[in-house]
Amino acid sequence: DQQVKQNSPSLSVQEGRISILNCDYTNSMFDYFLWYKKYPAEGPTFLISISSIKDKNEDGRFTVFLNKSAKHLSLHIVPSQPGDSAVYFCAASANFGGAGRRALTFGSGTRLQVQP
Amino acid sequence: DARVTQTPRHKVTEMGQEVTMRCQPILGHNTVFWYRQTMMQGLELLAYFRNRAPLDDSGMPKDRFSAEMPDATLATLKIQPSEPRDSAVYFCASGLDPDNFESYTFGSGTRLTVV
Repeated sequence: DQQVKQNSPSLSVQEGRISILNCDYTNSMFDYFLWYKKYPAEGPTFLISISSIKDKNEDGRFTVFLNKSAKHLSLHIVPSQPGDSAVYFCAASANFGGAGRRALTFGSGTRLQVQP
Repeated sequence: DARVTQTPRHKVTEMGQEVTMRCQPILGHNTVFWYRQTMMQGLELLAYFRNRAPLDDSGMPKDRFSAEMPDATLATLKIQPSEPRDSAVYFCASGLDPDNFESYTFGSGTRLTVV
Protein backbone atom coordinates (compact mmCIF):
# COMPACT_ATOMS: atom_id res chain seq x y z
CA ASP A 1 0.00 0.00 0.00
CA GLN A 2 1.65 3.19 -1.19
CA GLN A 3 1.41 5.88 1.47
CA VAL A 4 2.82 8.56 -0.85
CA LYS A 5 1.33 8.71 -4.33
CA GLN A 6 2.30 10.62 -7.41
CA ASN A 7 -0.48 9.82 -9.82
CA SER A 8 1.00 11.51 -12.88
CA PRO A 9 3.92 9.51 -14.25
CA SER A 10 4.83 12.29 -16.65
CA LEU A 11 4.26 15.96 -17.40
CA SER A 12 5.27 18.09 -20.37
CA VAL A 13 5.32 21.90 -20.29
CA GLN A 14 6.67 24.71 -22.46
CA GLU A 15 9.71 26.66 -21.38
CA GLY A 16 8.72 29.75 -19.41
CA ARG A 17 5.40 28.28 -18.27
CA ILE A 18 4.50 26.96 -14.84
CA SER A 19 5.05 23.30 -13.96
CA ILE A 20 2.83 21.86 -11.25
CA LEU A 21 3.69 18.47 -9.81
CA ASN A 22 1.26 16.84 -7.42
CA CYS A 23 1.59 14.41 -4.54
CA ASP A 24 -0.99 12.80 -2.25
CA TYR A 25 -0.40 10.98 1.02
CA THR A 26 -2.51 8.76 3.22
CA ASN A 27 -0.64 8.60 6.53
CA SER A 28 -1.77 11.40 8.86
CA MET A 29 1.40 10.86 10.93
CA PHE A 30 3.52 12.44 8.18
CA ASP A 31 4.75 15.82 9.40
CA TYR A 32 7.60 16.70 7.06
CA PHE A 33 7.64 16.65 3.29
CA LEU A 34 10.38 16.98 0.71
CA TRP A 35 10.82 17.11 -3.03
CA TYR A 36 13.81 15.53 -4.73
CA LYS A 37 15.00 15.89 -8.30
CA LYS A 38 16.69 13.07 -10.16
CA TYR A 39 18.64 13.13 -13.41
CA PRO A 40 19.41 9.90 -15.32
CA ALA A 41 22.29 7.84 -13.91
CA GLU A 42 22.45 10.02 -10.80
CA GLY A 43 20.99 9.77 -7.32
CA PRO A 44 18.12 12.00 -6.19
CA THR A 45 19.11 15.44 -4.90
CA PHE A 46 17.21 17.50 -2.36
CA LEU A 47 15.18 20.36 -3.82
CA ILE A 48 12.81 21.86 -1.24
CA SER A 49 10.98 20.87 1.93
CA ILE A 50 8.05 21.89 4.08
CA SER A 51 7.00 21.19 7.64
CA SER A 52 3.39 20.43 8.46
CA ILE A 53 3.17 23.62 10.50
CA LYS A 54 3.40 25.60 7.27
CA ASP A 55 1.31 25.66 4.14
CA LYS A 56 3.84 27.19 1.78
CA ASN A 57 7.59 27.32 1.31
CA GLU A 58 9.37 29.18 -1.44
CA ASP A 59 12.92 28.97 -2.77
CA GLY A 60 13.60 30.93 -5.91
CA ARG A 61 11.61 29.43 -8.78
CA PHE A 62 10.38 26.55 -6.62
CA THR A 63 7.39 26.71 -4.27
CA VAL A 64 5.86 23.85 -2.33
CA PHE A 65 2.27 24.05 -1.12
CA LEU A 66 0.82 21.80 1.57
CA ASN A 67 -2.90 21.18 2.12
CA LYS A 68 -3.10 19.04 5.25
CA SER A 69 -6.87 18.63 5.22
CA ALA A 70 -6.67 17.18 1.70
CA LYS A 71 -3.40 15.34 2.42
CA HIS A 72 -2.01 16.90 -0.72
CA LEU A 73 1.12 18.78 -1.64
CA SER A 74 2.30 20.30 -4.87
CA LEU A 75 5.52 21.66 -6.31
CA HIS A 76 5.34 24.71 -8.55
CA ILE A 77 8.21 25.66 -10.82
CA VAL A 78 7.97 29.14 -12.32
CA PRO A 79 9.26 29.79 -14.90
CA SER A 80 10.12 26.30 -16.12
CA GLN A 81 13.47 25.83 -17.85
CA PRO A 82 14.76 22.99 -20.04
CA GLY A 83 17.32 22.17 -17.31
CA ASP A 84 14.42 21.34 -15.01
CA SER A 85 13.69 18.24 -17.10
CA ALA A 86 14.13 15.37 -14.65
CA VAL A 87 12.18 12.95 -12.48
CA TYR A 88 10.72 14.57 -9.36
CA PHE A 89 10.06 12.53 -6.24
CA CYS A 90 7.83 13.54 -3.38
CA ALA A 91 8.86 12.17 0.05
CA ALA A 92 7.41 12.26 3.54
CA SER A 93 8.50 11.45 7.06
CA ALA A 94 6.55 10.57 10.20
CA ASN A 95 7.57 11.08 13.80
CA PHE A 96 6.35 8.38 16.13
CA GLY A 97 7.53 10.20 19.25
CA GLY A 98 9.22 7.76 21.60
CA ALA A 99 9.47 5.21 18.81
CA GLY A 100 11.53 7.69 16.81
CA ARG A 101 11.30 9.12 13.35
CA ARG A 102 10.78 6.88 10.39
CA ALA A 103 12.93 7.11 7.29
CA LEU A 104 11.56 8.90 4.24
CA THR A 105 8.75 7.30 2.27
CA PHE A 106 8.93 8.18 -1.41
CA GLY A 107 6.37 8.41 -4.16
CA SER A 108 6.88 6.75 -7.53
CA GLY A 109 8.04 9.94 -9.24
CA THR A 110 6.87 12.23 -12.05
CA ARG A 111 8.97 12.74 -15.15
CA LEU A 112 8.95 16.40 -16.14
CA GLN A 113 9.88 17.40 -19.67
CA VAL A 114 10.30 21.11 -20.35
CA GLN A 115 10.13 21.84 -24.06
CA PRO A 116 12.30 24.69 -25.40
CA ASP B 1 32.95 18.03 -2.74
CA ALA B 2 31.65 15.32 -0.35
CA ARG B 3 29.81 12.47 -1.98
CA VAL B 4 28.42 9.02 -1.31
CA THR B 5 30.32 6.40 -3.31
CA GLN B 6 28.61 3.22 -4.48
CA THR B 7 30.26 0.24 -6.13
CA PRO B 8 29.82 -1.35 -8.55
CA ARG B 9 27.89 1.06 -10.79
CA HIS B 10 26.54 -1.84 -12.85
CA LYS B 11 26.23 -5.54 -12.13
CA VAL B 12 24.87 -8.30 -14.32
CA THR B 13 24.59 -11.70 -12.69
CA GLU B 14 22.88 -15.01 -13.15
CA MET B 15 19.93 -16.08 -11.08
CA GLY B 16 21.07 -17.85 -7.90
CA GLN B 17 24.37 -16.01 -7.61
CA GLU B 18 25.34 -13.88 -4.62
CA VAL B 19 25.50 -10.14 -5.16
CA THR B 20 27.22 -7.65 -2.85
CA MET B 21 26.78 -3.90 -3.23
CA ARG B 22 28.97 -1.46 -1.33
CA CYS B 23 28.53 2.08 -0.13
CA GLN B 24 30.95 4.57 1.36
CA PRO B 25 28.95 7.23 3.24
CA ILE B 26 30.10 10.81 3.63
CA LEU B 27 32.62 11.17 6.46
CA GLY B 28 30.84 12.38 9.58
CA HIS B 29 27.40 11.18 8.52
CA ASN B 30 25.95 8.78 11.10
CA THR B 31 22.81 7.74 9.22
CA VAL B 32 22.82 5.39 6.23
CA PHE B 33 19.91 4.22 4.08
CA TRP B 34 19.47 1.66 1.34
CA TYR B 35 16.69 2.32 -1.18
CA ARG B 36 15.66 0.39 -4.28
CA GLN B 37 14.16 2.02 -7.35
CA THR B 38 11.85 0.03 -9.56
CA MET B 39 9.58 1.19 -12.35
CA MET B 40 6.44 0.17 -10.49
CA GLN B 41 7.22 1.16 -6.90
CA GLY B 42 9.48 4.15 -7.20
CA LEU B 43 11.96 4.41 -4.32
CA GLU B 44 11.42 1.75 -1.65
CA LEU B 45 13.25 1.78 1.69
CA LEU B 46 15.15 -1.45 2.33
CA ALA B 47 17.22 -0.66 5.43
CA TYR B 48 18.22 2.22 7.67
CA PHE B 49 21.20 2.49 10.03
CA ARG B 50 22.11 5.01 12.69
CA ASN B 51 25.60 4.89 14.20
CA ARG B 52 26.03 1.53 12.41
CA ALA B 53 23.08 -0.03 14.24
CA PRO B 54 20.11 -1.17 12.14
CA LEU B 55 16.99 0.89 12.95
CA ASP B 56 14.58 -0.39 10.36
CA ASP B 57 14.94 -3.19 7.83
CA SER B 58 11.25 -4.00 7.54
CA GLY B 59 11.28 -3.27 3.80
CA MET B 60 13.88 -5.91 3.09
CA PRO B 61 13.07 -9.53 2.12
CA LYS B 62 14.79 -11.22 5.06
CA ASP B 63 15.22 -14.60 3.47
CA ARG B 64 17.62 -13.37 0.79
CA PHE B 65 18.71 -9.83 1.64
CA SER B 66 21.08 -8.70 4.36
CA ALA B 67 22.49 -5.26 5.18
CA GLU B 68 25.44 -4.51 7.42
CA MET B 69 27.84 -1.75 8.40
CA PRO B 70 31.16 -3.41 9.26
CA ASP B 71 32.56 0.01 10.08
CA ALA B 72 31.61 3.68 9.77
CA THR B 73 33.09 3.96 6.28
CA LEU B 74 31.37 0.98 4.69
CA ALA B 75 27.81 -0.24 4.28
CA THR B 76 27.00 -3.43 2.37
CA LEU B 77 23.83 -4.87 0.89
CA LYS B 78 23.95 -8.54 0.00
CA ILE B 79 21.48 -10.66 -1.96
CA GLN B 80 21.83 -14.43 -1.78
CA PRO B 81 20.48 -16.05 -3.88
CA SER B 82 19.59 -13.37 -6.42
CA GLU B 83 16.42 -13.60 -8.51
CA PRO B 84 15.31 -11.78 -11.70
CA ARG B 85 12.75 -9.76 -9.69
CA ASP B 86 15.68 -8.19 -7.78
CA SER B 87 16.68 -6.32 -10.94
CA ALA B 88 16.54 -2.62 -10.02
CA VAL B 89 18.72 0.35 -9.17
CA TYR B 90 19.91 0.27 -5.57
CA PHE B 91 20.71 3.60 -3.92
CA CYS B 92 22.63 4.27 -0.77
CA ALA B 93 22.21 7.60 1.04
CA SER B 94 23.84 9.07 4.11
CA GLY B 95 22.86 11.93 6.41
CA LEU B 96 24.16 13.86 9.41
CA ASP B 97 21.38 12.47 11.60
CA PRO B 98 17.92 10.99 11.01
CA ASP B 99 16.09 14.32 11.51
CA ASN B 100 18.33 16.34 9.22
CA PHE B 101 16.63 15.47 5.94
CA GLU B 102 18.26 18.24 3.98
CA SER B 103 21.67 16.65 4.68
CA TYR B 104 20.68 13.36 3.04
CA THR B 105 22.98 12.71 0.09
CA PHE B 106 22.38 9.89 -2.36
CA GLY B 107 24.98 7.94 -4.25
CA SER B 108 24.68 7.38 -8.00
CA GLY B 109 23.30 3.89 -7.49
CA THR B 110 24.13 0.32 -8.48
CA ARG B 111 22.13 -0.94 -11.45
CA LEU B 112 21.58 -4.65 -10.88
CA THR B 113 20.39 -6.99 -13.61
CA VAL B 114 19.69 -10.61 -12.71
CA VAL B 115 19.25 -12.88 -15.74
